[in-house]
Amino acid sequence: ETGVTQSPTHLIKTRGQQVTLRCSSQSGHNTVSWYQQALGQGPQFIFQYYREEENGRGNFPPRFSGLQFPNYSSELNVNALELDDSALYLCASSNPPGQGLGDTQYFGPGTRLTVL
Amino acid sequence: QQPVQSPQAVILREGEDAVINCSSSKALYSVHWYRQKHGEAPVFLMILLKGGEQKGHEKISASFNEKKQQSSLYLTASQLSYSGTYFCGTDYQGETYKYIFGTGTRLKVLA
Repeated sequence: ETGVTQSPTHLIKTRGQQVTLRCSSQSGHNTVSWYQQALGQGPQFIFQYYREEENGRGNFPPRFSGLQFPNYSSELNVNALELDDSALYLCASSNPPGQGLGDTQYFGPGTRLTVL
Repeated sequence: QQPVQSPQAVILREGEDAVINCSSSKALYSVHWYRQKHGEAPVFLMILLKGGEQKGHEKISASFNEKKQQSSLYLTASQLSYSGTYFCGTDYQGETYKYIFGTGTRLKVLA
């Protein structure tokens, strides 16, 4: 069984730039969720993708967007980067929502984004 | 809307017990517990799906009181490896799907 992987592990960008983060889900999982975790804070839900469509979204502006591919891997894109976007970005894969399985999530190691 | 955890932080000696509480202002349909060590991703500990359900994992167990909209995590005979930040989490099936983590509890176990 393959775990959740993310790339890159670290990234440094400047304000106004765009960034793409990647996530490969755990074998057997077709649902991917993305989270932003600022230093000293808990993870904040950005959005979830299921069957290549956005299934839910947290309180993040439209410049945070995503994609899910047929192989269930996913991308998080952030446009017009701001200093406050500096954080650890986590993706988590799970079973499909609503199947009574409780959406147990398994997290990847994260991508540390620094915006200068 | 974010579940509130208590205490915010706790320091234990090896072998001591601890209880971490997670309270929500909205009805909880499921509760997940995670442990996150510094610089690492959260690790899933357990899930509780029904009110009143209790689950155990080695010396870590949890209960879920749906009526009280509360879950508690019990750590018995704590070990150094238990140190980290504990989060409860729950999903809200409203107009749109959301997943929300609790405020977190920092736990440190001393030798």
